[in-house]
Amino acid sequence: KAGVTQTPRYLIKTRGQQVTLSCSPISGHRSVSWYQQTPGQGLQFLFEYFSETQRNKGNFPGRFSGRQFSNSRSEMNVSTLELGDSALYLCASSLVSGSRSTEAFFGQGTRLTVV
Amino acid sequence: GESVGLHLPTLSVQEGDNSIINCAYSNSASDYFIWYKQESGKGPQFIIDIRSNMDKRQGQRVTVLLNKTVKHLSLQIAATQPGDSAVYFCAENTGGFKTIFGAGTRLFVKA
Repeated sequence: KAGVTQTPRYLIKTRGQQVTLSCSPISGHRSVSWYQQTPGQGLQFLFEYFSETQRNKGNFPGRFSGRQFSNSRSEMNVSTLELGDSALYLCASSLVSGSRSTEAFFGQGTRLTVV
Repeated sequence: GESVGLHLPTLSVQEGDNSIINCAYSNSASDYFIWYKQESGKGPQFIIDIRSNMDKRQGQRVTVLLNKTVKHLSLQIAATQPGDSAVYFCAENTGGFKTIFGAGTRLFVKA
């Protein structure tokens, strides 16, 4: 069974640009969540999608957005990039049991560097 | 932002010894807890989970203990091996679609 796939693995952008990151979940997983990981802040929850709907959102500015497609693949977008957006962006997919997502399976992440 | 656990501490143990990694969570409504392991250059990997109706759960070489009274979670690794060297995160879920991670603990295993 293929794992969670994130593309691209590495990305360098300049301030003010925008970026789109992609995540393909494990087959059969309908919940996809996104996290930002930095050395100083650890793993910060961005948002989670289930059935093409954003179910929960973390404390990030509106420059961070995402979406999920009918095949459960997800993208996240960051507009007007700032230097502080440099981080490892991790995507995780989960099964859903009842009204909650269960254990998350993470991709290897996209390393974004803003210069 | 919201967080579980402490700032990234470091635990150094001798190969073969047992390791205990601790985590404090803040939301008393959390009812599902997970431990993850993250090796350098990789995404976090699920280790073990526990629901709030349990105090203890065992896996292969790992045990998770939950103390809801003091909102404390611990991960015990038996006979620690060099391959256990990684950053360990605890995470909590309050019954929805939001899982909050702690800051992590770095485990060094000395050969």
